[in-house]
Amino acid sequence: DAGITQSPRHKVTETGTPVTLRCHQTENHRYMYWYRQDPGHGLRLIHYSYGVKDTDKGEVSDGYSVSRSKTEDFLLTLESATSSQTSVYFCAISGITGANVLTFGAGSRLTVL
Amino acid sequence: QKEVEQNSGPLSVPEGAIASLNCTYSDRGSQSFFWYRQYSGKSPELIMSIYSNGDKEDGRFTAQLNKASQYVSLLIRDSQPSDSATYLCAVRWGNYQLIWGAGTKLIIKP
Repeated sequence: DAGITQSPRHKVTETGTPVTLRCHQTENHRYMYWYRQDPGHGLRLIHYSYGVKDTDKGEVSDGYSVSRSKTEDFLLTLESATSSQTSVYFCAISGITGANVLTFGAGSRLTVL
Repeated sequence: QKEVEQNSGPLSVPEGAIASLNCTYSDRGSQSFFWYRQYSGKSPELIMSIYSNGDKEDGRFTAQLNKASQYVSLLIRDSQPSDSATYLCAVRWGNYQLIWGAGTKLIIKP
């Protein structure tokens, strides 16, 4: 996980509270991604960024927002957490044009009670 | 709907044998294919990429691609207990996105 860190690594929160997960990279990579991983599902893309202030929705973006004000930071916000958002969240970076080789962070385990 | 399908397993293979993992995909136009390995409680890591029909070898790993049949496979020779993990197949879609299979859990029995 060198060069990419996620925080917090574990969080327990209550339904209806806002939550922000942070992804920080030191690789100066252009592309950053937020995925969620749930049992029985592949990694599912929530949002991605292809540059500072350039973001777009993935396949499961409802209930999530993102921001990227600096190359190194990509924030994922759950405005009002729900139990269905209990999951493991992975940030990934890619320095090659498009979605080729992804390097993942260690993951953030979020539990919404 | 872009889909990537994998047998969830678990696939149990004796140590020293060949493990064969398979993946099928729905988008006939896909050009880039990847195998990631994920140990329990850890993040995925890339082990192989393949872009052209045929075989690509890297050490004990061989990726095989057949675009006409829309499948990609991963062979692991001389399987070791350290190969026990979940193997994720991913297919590139457009410029920025990968579509992922749910993964196959591989167990190597000593």
